[in-house]
Amino acid sequence: QKEVEQNSGPLSVPEGAIASLNCTYSDRGSQSFFWYRQYSGKSPELIMFIYSNGDKEDGRFTAQLNKASQYVSLLIRDSQPSDSATYLCAVNNGNNRLAFGKGNQVVVIP
Amino acid sequence: GAVVSQHPSWVICKSGTSVKIECRSLDFQATTMFWYRQFPKQSLMLMATSNEGSKATYEQGVEKDKFLINHASLTLSTLTVTSAHPEDSSFYICSARDVSGRMSYGYTFGSGTRLTVV
Repeated sequence: QKEVEQNSGPLSVPEGAIASLNCTYSDRGSQSFFWYRQYSGKSPELIMFIYSNGDKEDGRFTAQLNKASQYVSLLIRDSQPSDSATYLCAVNNGNNRLAFGKGNQVVVIP
Repeated sequence: GAVVSQHPSWVICKSGTSVKIECRSLDFQATTMFWYRQFPKQSLMLMATSNEGSKATYEQGVEKDKFLINHASLTLSTLTVTSAHPEDSSFYICSARDVSGRMSYGYTFGSGTRLTVV
């Protein structure tokens, strides 16, 4: 089992809609969770981080963490064409290393 | 805050030569930096953890004699790809975290280096 899994394929959403991304992780001792956005040919940039169970909102982005079920999700409200990118889920399992999922491509259709 | 500068942004080199990539934390000190490699349409794969003043820790399957890492100061880590071959062509990205442990910064990435070996 991979450390971090993002299984859904490319996600196409109309402009203004909500994009929902999910991520599961295998290490129950994981402590912190991150969502990064990566544009093609660029390096990842931090979108959200979350450490505690529940929801965390920042502008149009909401991260949700459920440690019991070992999943973390990202919601993008009022999706914009500029949100079109690959979103990477990353997990810090306590040894200072980040494990990344393979990413989910999001395409926002104007 | 938490800016990481990486140079060069792209490099083309001949097979058999060596290439050095620099990663600098501009406004914070980083005792630990991370080097990743990303092939097209794949996720980031951690290559090694660079530790200031000590040897780097390499991930399984990464040749330490081929990918030389030097972390001589709290703000600079370098990755040297020695005797580069076409299969080393990839996107190399460094990452660092503020040593103060301010959780809000997470892990900041450099802009990446596109290496093409011909």
